[in-house]
Amino acid sequence: GAVVSQHPSRVICKSGTSVKIECRSLDFQATTMFWYRQFPKQSLMLMATSNEGSKATYEQGVEKDKFLINHASLTLSTLTVTSAHPEDSSFYICSASSLSYEQYFGPGTRLTVT
Amino acid sequence: SQQGEEDPQALSIQEGENATMNCSYKTSINNLQWYRQNSGRGLVHLILIRSNEREKHSGRLRVTLDTSKKSSSLLITASRAADTASYFCATGNSGNTPLVFGKGTRLSVIA
Repeated sequence: GAVVSQHPSRVICKSGTSVKIECRSLDFQATTMFWYRQFPKQSLMLMATSNEGSKATYEQGVEKDKFLINHASLTLSTLTVTSAHPEDSSFYICSASSLSYEQYFGPGTRLTVT
Repeated sequence: SQQGEEDPQALSIQEGENATMNCSYKTSINNLQWYRQNSGRGLVHLILIRSNEREKHSGRLRVTLDTSKKSSSLLITASRAADTASYFCATGNSGNTPLVFGKGTRLSVIA
């Protein structure tokens, strides 16, 4: 199946700093990518939908100025957590879609804000 | 917002037994998918069932879908300790729409 990578897999940062997470589709072009967040022992919650070349669509309650999403090419979307706080500590997962029913998920990024 | 509800939330069984997890959803769907997630890891896609299908098999997995009741079930037969994980259902419409995940079932298979 198609492969989606995320980088980094784990990151620890200090409160107030910014962190960038990359999501890449390695062997297909992804017109749409999705960013999810998962808190411990909870399910995945959609944060935003990212379409190549256009602004991301954010879910209610997700601050677009805090979670900056850029989908500059058909194989790369980035999520930048700005001015991170401990409550932003979470597992961030992206998925990429190529107009098929199945979405291909990245392995996730564990963010810890100290 | 989350659409699906899984039950049970947690399930503990002995190795060799069958495990059944259920998922209910609220709106019309094109397909329903089941995923597995080991602790602290990414998602592993298990099976996709389309809205015009009623049952699907893959190895030790059997998935049913009842669109009239807006529910699905995942059966894992002859469970193994390695099946210990969280299992999520997710509903979708097309590839360009996000999946909506249920709350998940934490399965523990005891050797």
